[in-house]
Amino acid sequence: EAQVTQNPRYLITVTGKKLTVTCSQNMNHEYMSWYRQDPGLGLRQIYYSMNVEVTDKGDVPEGYKVSRKEKRNFPLILESPSPNQTSLYFCASGLDTQYFGPGTRLTVL
Amino acid sequence: QKEVEQNSGPLSVPEGAIASLNCTYSDRVSQSFFWYRQYSGKSPELIMSIYSNGDKEDGRFTAQLNKASQYVSLLIRDSQPSDSATYLCAVRDGRGGSYIPTFGRGTSLIVHP
Repeated sequence: EAQVTQNPRYLITVTGKKLTVTCSQNMNHEYMSWYRQDPGLGLRQIYYSMNVEVTDKGDVPEGYKVSRKEKRNFPLILESPSPNQTSLYFCASGLDTQYFGPGTRLTVL
Repeated sequence: QKEVEQNSGPLSVPEGAIASLNCTYSDRVSQSFFWYRQYSGKSPELIMSIYSNGDKEDGRFTAQLNKASQYVSLLIRDSQPSDSATYLCAVRDGRGGSYIPTFGRGTSLIVHP
């Protein structure tokens, strides 16, 4: 079954405490991406990756890092989270047909 | 700054009616257009993609694209209560290796029995 998994699904943390949200896909897609979804602002792309070791900024990359060491995994790293990064985060796999993960609801206190 | 505009709704239609969802975009060179459905608390799911002017039909769904008017729409025929969701329009231009889609804020659709 085609699948994009994210972990954790829910996370409450404090300002400045580094965290990683993992994303994995089983569809052998080259293109993967991260989005955040905020009320009134919609979905905005944070980073994307065209292939292993190839990543690029999306529309809202500030405060985030990514890495793509393997094709199937694309973790999102918040090195020093701040309250304005409280949001719902989605990982997606595929280019024209994007498959979204289940989402990670992050709260930064 | 690329913009994708959608009426936030809610759009309320009776069961069995045609629901018409509209989207306008600002970047004239946009090449790829997508409609996603997002149920409350769930992740977006691709319904339709369209790349050239005209209509594209898939079951009860029809996407319509008019690049001259910078307008893309989604028609849902024989609307069902299970179609109640937020519908997101997304636009991508693909120029110079740009693969960043711009999403609209979504239109909430309510299909009442």
